[in-house]
Amino acid sequence: GENVEQHPSTLSVQEGDSAVIKCTYSDSASNYFPWYKQELGKGPQLIIDIRSNVGEKKDQRIAVTLNKTAKHFSLHITETQPEDSAVYFCAALEPNFNKFYFGSGTKLNVKP
Amino acid sequence: DAGVTQSPTHLIKTRGQHVTLRCSPISGHKSVSWYQQVLGQGPQFIFQYYEKEERGRGNFPDRFSARQFPNYSSELNVNALLLGDSALYLCASSSGEGTDTQYFGPGTRLTVL
Repeated sequence: GENVEQHPSTLSVQEGDSAVIKCTYSDSASNYFPWYKQELGKGPQLIIDIRSNVGEKKDQRIAVTLNKTAKHFSLHITETQPEDSAVYFCAALEPNFNKFYFGSGTKLNVKP
Repeated sequence: DAGVTQSPTHLIKTRGQHVTLRCSPISGHKSVSWYQQVLGQGPQFIFQYYEKEERGRGNFPDRFSARQFPNYSSELNVNALLLGDSALYLCASSSGEGTDTQYFGPGTRLTVL
């Protein structure tokens, strides 16, 4: 089955700096890659997603890149703000079995 | 617009008991997925239902079962609870199946004593 690995597990940045979180996946059949932000005591909130026919997608301060050949995708947050502090999860959809596989999460701390 | 709703918010059970968790998807969404999230880990896929049929199943024992109703709401049932079943149970809804975007509810925190 699919295996999604996420790095780093924790990331601390100064307000205004950029943050990058990376994920790798193992199944070349995976074709949809969402990113979620989870705040304490809440469910994951979708922040951006990318499909396998696209290499990059941007939404204001957030961008995602996908390298299908290397089987990795990354989340980029620019001009970070304290309210960006949360746990971020990447995920990959294995379409053959209709399953989503999540990474282990990255705890982002943005210091004011 | 109401998002995904789940009930109850919190639940405490003892080993061996049975539990039923409920989920209402976003209006117009026909697919519901269930996930288990153990503290400090990412969500683990349990089931996906679309149009009241099971469309995907994760690596969970038969003690876990689910169903979807004609109004697209869903129940997750867990029998013979174990301490290791303590987790946040998340429901996600999407308009279709497969690659459609999933939106999560706030979850049900289950504690097994």
